[in-house]
Amino acid sequence: NAGVTQTPKFRVLKTGQSMTLLCAQDMNHEYMYWYRQDPGMGLRLIHYSVGEGTTAKGEVPDGYNVSRLKKQNFLLGLESAAPSQTSVYFCASSRWGSLGMNTEAFFGQGTRLTVV
Amino acid sequence: RKEVEQDPGPFNVPEGATVAFNCTYSNSASQSFFWYRQDCRKEPKLLMSVYSSGNEDGRFTAQLNRASQYISLLIRDSKLSDSATYLCVVNSNTDKLIFGTGTRLQVFP
Repeated sequence: NAGVTQTPKFRVLKTGQSMTLLCAQDMNHEYMYWYRQDPGMGLRLIHYSVGEGTTAKGEVPDGYNVSRLKKQNFLLGLESAAPSQTSVYFCASSRWGSLGMNTEAFFGQGTRLTVV
Repeated sequence: RKEVEQDPGPFNVPEGATVAFNCTYSNSASQSFFWYRQDCRKEPKLLMSVYSSGNEDGRFTAQLNRASQYISLLIRDSKLSDSATYLCVVNSNTDKLIFGTGTRLQVFP
């Protein structure tokens, strides 16, 4: 069972370069999320999606864009990378619960991004 | 004020000890509550959901206090393998899962 898969796992970028992080889930989940995790800051929500074709901003959306063209994929883009975007990025997915609420979120293994 | 707040710790406890973590949340409309565990350089994994009536899973007990807007996690008979960071997670509205900064636990022999 693949669950949530993130690619790549590691990446080094130069300031100003662009890249796309891919998240794929095979659990038919409606919700998908992108978080970043920095020391002492916990996981902060960048963007999220409640279904195919929809996206919304989280706590720290600036400098990032996302797309959810297919239900199973959620892409995170950095148009012009900055050193402040050096972080560990986690993708997660969850299904719509019976009471209309989130249920357990499953995480990918993370992408370690360094911007120099 | 952060939506979800936790004491960052670290909590250093001997094997066999009982340890409790608290987490407060600011959105009174929150409906879903969870405790996740994260090992060093790994992804977070669900430890347990938190139900209104409180729930127990082996050595772990979770409680919810809606009036005071906090949740707690109690770990009894701590094991070395319990050493990790424990993350409080709250559904701030029907769409977003918001994480606390985590509480680090170190169990020593």
